[in-house]
Amino acid sequence: DGGITQSPKYLFRKEGQNVTLSCEQNLNHDAMYWYRQDPGQGLRLIYYSQIVNDFQKGDIAEGYSVSREKKESFPLTVTSAQKNPTAFYLCASTKDRRPMNTEAFFGQGTRLTVV
Amino acid sequence: EDQVTQSPEALRLQEGESSSLNCSYTVSGLRGLFWYRQDPGKGPEFLFTLYSAGEEKEKERLKATLTKKESFLHITAPKPEDSATYLCAVQVAGANNLFFGTGTRLTVIP
Repeated sequence: DGGITQSPKYLFRKEGQNVTLSCEQNLNHDAMYWYRQDPGQGLRLIYYSQIVNDFQKGDIAEGYSVSREKKESFPLTVTSAQKNPTAFYLCASTKDRRPMNTEAFFGQGTRLTVV
Repeated sequence: EDQVTQSPEALRLQEGESSSLNCSYTVSGLRGLFWYRQDPGKGPEFLFTLYSAGEEKEKERLKATLTKKESFLHITAPKPEDSATYLCAVQVAGANNLFFGTGTRLTVIP
């Protein structure tokens, strides 16, 4: 079955550590996105990529980094510079490179907790 | 400033009790309005896209409508399995992402 796989489902980070969240899709979609979801707030865009080896900052990119070396993969690194990283992180993809103009498929999310 | 507001924040319905969820928006140039369903601890699941005022779409017990200022998600004779958070999102002309509301948490009681 085609879809988006995020791993791990739960992740714990110590203060000062960098951690990387994995996102893989087998839908052959061009564009991929990372969102952050906090209680009482709408999803907020961290980074997006419309093509391999290219990505753009979203609304809340500070403290995060990404790479897009393969069409299928779009990992997100949460660096120690992110002051409040505890959140639910969602990866999404769209078939069309045009920004989010079509149905987006979401992964099942990674819940990151700072301990 | 572009804004998307969903109401109510939470809604409890008896099984079979129809109701509507609201998504009002203030944006500079709407390209599309999206409805998603999200179950606890899961990623959102696409429901509908609406592009122009007057457009309607249906899927099982759900019907989405769009005006120039708001969208409604009508739920007819809901069942407990319809319990979820329903998210509204808009795409604005010239922007590179969807702008999400905070959602309506629906609980349907048997």
